[in-house]
Amino acid sequence: NAGVTQTPKFRILKIGQSMTLQCTQDMNHNYMYWYRQDPGMGLKLIYYSVGAGITDKGEVPNGYNVSRSTTEDFPLRLELAAPSQTSVYFCASSPQKPGSPLHFGNGTRLTVT
Amino acid sequence: DQQVKQNSPSLSVQEGRISILNCDYTNSMFDYFLWYKKYPAEGPTFLISISSIKDKNEDGRFTVFLNKSAKHLSLHIVPSQPGDSAVYFCAASDQGAQKLVFGQGTRLTINP
Repeated sequence: NAGVTQTPKFRILKIGQSMTLQCTQDMNHNYMYWYRQDPGMGLKLIYYSVGAGITDKGEVPNGYNVSRSTTEDFPLRLELAAPSQTSVYFCASSPQKPGSPLHFGNGTRLTVT
Repeated sequence: DQQVKQNSPSLSVQEGRISILNCDYTNSMFDYFLWYKKYPAEGPTFLISISSIKDKNEDGRFTVFLNKSAKHLSLHIVPSQPGDSAVYFCAASDQGAQKLVFGQGTRLTINP
């Protein structure tokens, strides 16, 4: 029972490089999310999706892009990495039911230098 | 604009005693409240939740209390165990939005 799987676990990028953080879930959840967690801070929502082909901005979307071509996958793209994007990124999914808890992956720790 | 606040960054409790973690919110539209627990190098895991139509929900050693008039909720852990040492996040969502807003977290340390 894999749940939510994120790859890679760690990555170091140089300023201006690009990369894609991968996220896949095997629970057939319609809703998927990307959060980032900065040191000493809570999780802030970057983007979310309520189903394949539908995405929307969260609280901190600048510098990121997402796509949702299948129910299972929700990749997060960084086009021009900046030091401010150094963070731990968490992907999550939930069923389409109000109040349902989110199921999180184990995160990707990204450092931009 | 911090809609969900956990004002205590850390809390230290003796094993066997009660741990009380607090959370305040500002958005009166929030109708679901959840607590998550996070160990280092892992994602947050769901612990317990409460809807706005209740004022208490219990699950084993964990109880969440909701005071809507004060816009305050708390998580009680009784008795506290060493494995409870983790960071605890309070989160809230409003009707149908299915987007969780998180507090900053409280690091709980249980001392033997």
